[in-house]
Amino acid sequence: QVQLVQSGAEVKKPGASVKVSCKASGYTFTGYYMHWVRQAPGQGLEWMGWINPNTGGANYAQKFQGRVTMTRDTSISTAYMELSRLRSDDTAVYFCARDRYNWNYGCFDPWGQGTLVTVSS
Amino acid sequence: DIQMTQSPSSLSASVGDRVTITCRASQSISSYLNWYQQKPGKAPKLLIYETSSLQSGVPSRFSGSGSGTDFTLTISSLQPEDFATYYCQQSYSTPWTFGQGTKVEIK
Repeated sequence: QVQLVQSGAEVKKPGASVKVSCKASGYTFTGYYMHWVRQAPGQGLEWMGWINPNTGGANYAQKFQGRVTMTRDTSISTAYMELSRLRSDDTAVYFCARDRYNWNYGCFDPWGQGTLVTVSS
Repeated sequence: DIQMTQSPSSLSASVGDRVTITCRASQSISSYLNWYQQKPGKAPKLLIYETSSLQSGVPSRFSGSGSGTDFTLTISSLQPEDFATYYCQQSYSTPWTFGQGTKVEIK
């Protein structure tokens, strides 16, 4: 079955960077866009951007431009999201989510289990 | 950016009740509207895509309708496992945006 497994929780200091991984299985990794969505504690869902695992091309929400980088390693079917210059309000659970369709449709299924990133001095 | 507004923000209902959640877009999004269910400590789960198409494995008591700017998620007979938070999301144009969520609680 299609599955996304993310890396474990991270604790970072303000100003540091974090890199979260998302390992895909059960489908052709390069055939589907991968999205990243975050959720601050007790808050709603916020889309951060997507990566095309086939080409490596990525597109980021304006809010994160300049601070986020999405990459992939096709040899191990893994997508990465790196967020730099962390602030306390970046404390959130970060999810990867595959696009339901084999193009950039913007419908997310399935999702990874989430990675809690805590930013604290 | 397209703003998505859900109502109500929360509701209390009993098992067996019919529940309706509304989602309004700040501009027309045709039928590019998806619904997700999220339980505490879990990732969201796709329920309905393209306004009214039921994702595989989702019970038929869930249904969606609407077009343009106004959309509805209906649970025909609420079950104990349906107590969760529901989010709408538009896939009309980037940045993809979500509603703020509707928490369905036990009465």
